[in-house]
Amino acid sequence: GESVGLHLPTLSVQEGDNSIINCAYSNSASDYFIWYKQESGKGPQFIIDIRSNMDKRQGQRVTVLLNKTVKHLSLQIAATQPGDSAVYFCAEKSGNTGKLIFGQGTTLQVKP
Amino acid sequence: DTGVSQDPRHKITKRGQNVTFRCDPISEHNRLYWYRQTLGQGPEFLTYFQNEAQLEKSRLLSDRFSAERPKGSFSTLEIQRTEQGDSAMYLCASSTTAQNTEAFFGQGTRLTVV
Repeated sequence: GESVGLHLPTLSVQEGDNSIINCAYSNSASDYFIWYKQESGKGPQFIIDIRSNMDKRQGQRVTVLLNKTVKHLSLQIAATQPGDSAVYFCAEKSGNTGKLIFGQGTTLQVKP
Repeated sequence: DTGVSQDPRHKITKRGQNVTFRCDPISEHNRLYWYRQTLGQGPEFLTYFQNEAQLEKSRLLSDRFSAERPKGSFSTLEIQRTEQGDSAMYLCASSTTAQNTEAFFGQGTRLTVV
């Protein structure tokens, strides 16, 4: 599958391949992380989250990996489908403020 | 419950006019957030409420911006004397007060200042 070592604004993958989207976060004190999917003209939609005391969490077709040492987060999508085409954002939060800090988005394009 | 609802979905206004947006959060959510998103960027935090109390405001929120949540349910965001730089998508989100819980976003209000 396709992967992005550093953050790139666009990732193009073939339908059925696995996708890996990377994100670097800024605050070493952040203790909660979320991946959101945003389709054109719509608000961000929750995909999966992970707490800082974990390094991996799996959902349906998605896996989030957290590396606190290098402040890096990744989202793996298995068997990418055309409906996965969207912009993906990582977001971080520290403490109980509720405020989310969003990273740069990655546009995922799925080729049929 | 149909999720977070925002109104209007689109607003076109002339520079200098005032605009007001409304957000209805998920009914059992105590926290309500406002974010602004410009094209190609991630959402930027503006402010948030816990019940009717406004607990935090970003430096992005100039004096021309004011948000209220008078009864701890719906919220309004008003922009006075709009400028072209205010053109953006304004997103509302809500969550419970539980630590480490996701925020649910509305569809946003797209503001265009001409």
